[in-house]
Amino acid sequence: KAGVTQTPRYLIKTRGQQVTLSCSPISGHRSVSWYQQTPGQGLQFLFEYFSETQRNKGNFPGRFSGRQFSNSRSEMNVSTLELGDSALYLCASSSGLAGGYQETQYFGPGTRLLVL
Amino acid sequence: QKEVEQNSGPLSVPEGAIASLNCTYSDRGSQSFFWYRQYSGKSPELIMFIYSNGDKEDGRFTAQLNKASQYVSLLIRDSQPSDSATYLCAHAGNTPLVFGKGTRLSVIA
Repeated sequence: KAGVTQTPRYLIKTRGQQVTLSCSPISGHRSVSWYQQTPGQGLQFLFEYFSETQRNKGNFPGRFSGRQFSNSRSEMNVSTLELGDSALYLCASSSGLAGGYQETQYFGPGTRLLVL
Repeated sequence: QKEVEQNSGPLSVPEGAIASLNCTYSDRGSQSFFWYRQYSGKSPELIMFIYSNGDKEDGRFTAQLNKASQYVSLLIRDSQPSDSATYLCAHAGNTPLVFGKGTRLSVIA
């Protein structure tokens, strides 16, 4: 099976711009979670989508949003970029069928975003 | 606040030794525990998961869980230079994964 894919792999933006990141889960997986990883804060949960519905959301401002399509592919959007948004953005997929968050999540390679 | 605490390291061990990585967590409702390995510049990859108290072995890796003490550990036997990476501990229950900030392991040849 192909793994989780993310595009683009690298992005450079300036403050105030917006950005859209894409994630394609492992075939058959219906749950996609997004994480932000920075050296200071580590891996932090942004949100999770299952069957096109946001099932859970982390403690991030409303500038961070996402969606999921019927084929389980997911996008996240960050509007009005700030310098502090520079990070590695990771998505992870799981089947989502077990309920809760007890099953293994498989990570994509990430998108490294630099905000200047 | 559901937190996961890990010693940031670096933890340095000689090649062939046992590396012991530790993690404590605050959420008593946590049911699943995961160890991920992350090489520099790469994404996390799953090493082990454990749900029940006790030990779980997979090759050179052993995960140990003690829910009463809210403690989970990862032992790496016969450590190799290729094991040098950051190891992330995470737990989940009915809420999404909460990660520790990771322990950096350096295996010296």
